[in-house]
Amino acid sequence: QKEVEQNSGPLSVPEGAIASLNCTYSDRGSQSFFWYRQYSGKSPELIMFIYSNGDKEDGRFTAQLNKASQYVSLLIRDSQPSDSATYLCAVRTADKLIFGTGTRLQVFP
Amino acid sequence: EAQVTQNPRYLITVTGKKLTVTCSQNMNHEYMSWYRQDPGLGLRQIYYSMNVEVTDKGDVPEGYKVSRKEKRNFPLILESPSPNQTSLYFCASSLFYSTEAFFGQGTRLTVV
Repeated sequence: QKEVEQNSGPLSVPEGAIASLNCTYSDRGSQSFFWYRQYSGKSPELIMFIYSNGDKEDGRFTAQLNKASQYVSLLIRDSQPSDSATYLCAVRTADKLIFGTGTRLQVFP
Repeated sequence: EAQVTQNPRYLITVTGKKLTVTCSQNMNHEYMSWYRQDPGLGLRQIYYSMNVEVTDKGDVPEGYKVSRKEKRNFPLILESPSPNQTSLYFCASSLFYSTEAFFGQGTRLTVV
């Protein structure tokens, strides 16, 4: 079992819809969770981080964390074509940041 | 401007020729790390450093060396590059190991 798992996609959604991206992790001791967006050939850029169970909202983005079920998700409301990118889930364990392989999101007009 | 700067951005080299990829951050971050990114494998950590003079192996350290003599710099050294080290490399830094990581622009390395 991979330490951090994501569906590779592509996830295709129409413009204006809600995109839902999911991530599961194996280390129950994980403390902090991050979502990064990466455009092709570019470096990852941080979208959100979440440390506590529940929801955290920032503009069009909402991160959800459920430690009991060991999953973290990212919702993107009112999706735009500019949101088309690969979204990386990252989980901080005792001493390192482990990345999933990413979910490719395609938002079509 | 707060940033992580890597150089060079692109590098083509031959097998066995030693090379160094530099990484510098101006945010006074304690934690720095190197990743390589390969299709289907995602980002994998090569080495990390909790602070000056403290470095440790990540998941894929073979064939790489690092040093952390100053807080701002964390160079990645390939003593004898091989074609399987052809990859996209990212340097990242964070204030502490538990906080969010900021990435450099990336270095695309090709070893022929």
